[in-house]
Amino acid sequence: EAGVAQSPRYKIIEKRQSVAFWCNPISGHATLYWYQQILGQGPKLLIQFQNNGVVDDSQLPKDRFSAERLKGVDSTLKIQPAKLEDSAVYLCASSPHGAVRREKLFFGSGTQLSVL
Amino acid sequence: AQTVTQSQPEMSVQEAETVTLSCTYDTSESDYYLFWYKQPPSRQMILVIRQEAYKQQNATENRFSVNFQKAAKSFSLKISDSQLGDAAMYFCAYNNAGNMLTFGGGTRLMVKP
Repeated sequence: EAGVAQSPRYKIIEKRQSVAFWCNPISGHATLYWYQQILGQGPKLLIQFQNNGVVDDSQLPKDRFSAERLKGVDSTLKIQPAKLEDSAVYLCASSPHGAVRREKLFFGSGTQLSVL
Repeated sequence: AQTVTQSQPEMSVQEAETVTLSCTYDTSESDYYLFWYKQPPSRQMILVIRQEAYKQQNATENRFSVNFQKAAKSFSLKISDSQLGDAAMYFCAYNNAGNMLTFGGGTRLMVKP
């Protein structure tokens, strides 16, 4: 089966610019996650979608980050305006039903963002 | 808040040997799950092994096993018969009742031929 697809793989922007990342989860997976992984740290959950509704966005910096999952399939994560501290790898993951304990999360290869 | 600590930034093992990666966590919960994830250079996180806190028996998956010490809040990963393909970042992760995974800072494992 096809895995979680993410694009672009790399992105370099200047601070105060805007950027968007795209994720296509595994077909049929109801749950989609966006994680931020700063260099030298473990991933941190930004937002979780169940179908096209938001389940948890408590760690999303909503003044500059936004995310949507149209029609419960693809998702886009946007940063506007970007800051230097947003430099990180942005990982997308999906799972069939969102039961983190019992289901395997399938991760994409991420987008590495560098903010100069 | 739950925290997960991996005290070994880097570890090295000879091919075919055994290595143990350490993880400690802090929680006041009694019902939780613990995980080890592998992140190769491709950046794609892969679940290695999972442990339910209520189970006393340590989880095993082929060459991978854990040593779960609930009272000590310790959750180490043992890799037996290490292979070159095991070289990667390894992250310990914690989950309680919600859907959030809290990850440790990771350990880079190098495998020497």
